[in-house]
Amino acid sequence: AAGVIQSPRHLIKEKRETATLKCYPIPRHDTVYWYQQGPGQDPQFLISFYEKMQSDKGSIPDRFSAQQFSDYHSELNMSSLELGDSALYFCASRFQGAVGANVLTFGAGSRLTVL
Amino acid sequence: GIQVEQSPPDLILQEGANSTLRCNFSDSVNNLQWFHQNPWGQLINLFYIPSGTKQNGRLSATTVATERYSLLYISSSQTTDSGVYFCAGGSQGNLIFGKGTKLSVKP
Repeated sequence: AAGVIQSPRHLIKEKRETATLKCYPIPRHDTVYWYQQGPGQDPQFLISFYEKMQSDKGSIPDRFSAQQFSDYHSELNMSSLELGDSALYFCASRFQGAVGANVLTFGAGSRLTVL
Repeated sequence: GIQVEQSPPDLILQEGANSTLRCNFSDSVNNLQWFHQNPWGQLINLFYIPSGTKQNGRLSATTVATERYSLLYISSSQTTDSGVYFCAGGSQGNLIFGKGTKLSVKP
């Protein structure tokens, strides 16, 4: 079965650079979530999109932005990177209209290292 | 917001032992999932269990929604069960994660 695809899997950037992470949800899933997991921490919710519109916002820094495109893939843009942005970034998706619609399926994550 | 507490924070087992992990919620949730995060960082969904009991092989989970807690049982543990176990729940679609239980299974 198709899963949530995230790219790149690993990314190394310098401070003050920008980075873009991509997420391709499971086909027919209409809702995408982004999470950030720092070293030794639990995943923290950043932002979500339903039908290409922002649906909820968590602890996302102002330097970050995200959007969902017409094909339902999503991108997380991070600017003016700081050392503290080094983390594992997860994307998750679900289809709101299905039975068991609350199940979130997570991608393998993108590991960002800021030097 | 909803608070999620997991216990114990750390657990060391000998291979073959059984264990119970607990998750308490400060408020009602309508979605609850248990995850296993392996050493490579992947979050593997174990159970979607807002209420009731489910079993999958050596793992089972029970959620008592009226008392706002969930339990994950691991029987006959194996070294490959090592990693961090997270419970997560919410009421608005997105999930709030607990701090996790770090499990180490020794051969």
